Amino acid sequence: QQQVKQSPQSLIVQKGGISIINCAYENTAFDYFPWYQQFPGKGPALLIAIRPDVSEKKEGRFTISFNKSAKQFSLHIMDSQPGDSATYFCAATLTSGTYKYIFGTGTRLKVLA
Amino acid sequence: DAGITQSPRHKVTETGTPVTLRCHQTENHRYMYWYRQDPGHGLRLIHYSYGVKDTDKGEVSDGYSVSRSKTEDFLLTLESATSSQTSVYFCAISESVQKRNEQFFGPGTRLTVL
Repeated sequence: QQQVKQSPQSLIVQKGGISIINCAYENTAFDYFPWYQQFPGKGPALLIAIRPDVSEKKEGRFTISFNKSAKQFSLHIMDSQPGDSATYFCAATLTSGTYKYIFGTGTRLKVLA
Repeated sequence: DAGITQSPRHKVTETGTPVTLRCHQTENHRYMYWYRQDPGHGLRLIHYSYGVKDTDKGEVSDGYSVSRSKTEDFLLTLESATSSQTSVYFCAISESVQKRNEQFFGPGTRLTVL
């Protein structure tokens, strides 16, 4: 019940295209869903996050869509750029308690110039 | 960047030797975490701390121990390293600030066990 399943494992997108990464969770008690971006040789960094009381959150070219009934959430990167090439991780957690994250397995995105 | 440093950044060791990785923060955050990152597995929690001397196990804690004697330092020890512990290790910190709940990650330590 603690798993977060992420797909696809890898993704290649043309510059200017839309990148879509999907995640599904099992524990309905989770109430915070962040996305992290990681460049090679660096630690992950928070990109955008959403709580289940909203269905969508947008920050610049990055949008999270959240479907509470389906227990799924996705990251959309609009107008994808070569600089977006990185590994993306979704995660889920409870904001009460010890803030342990359950991470997805990651998606390696490559945006072709 | 959040004030998190990890040391060493790279280490090569032999099977059976003890190894200690250090995470140091200057943010005075309450929570600290150790993760390992492996291809196909993402980030998996090893141990975490919710205060000085308060620690608990994560999902992959076997073969690892931790200690936190000061707010700023969180140590991860491999008592007897094995090749399966070859990985990249990340430390993270967080603080409950208006339920923002963001975890900030350090730069990582690449450990190779021969």
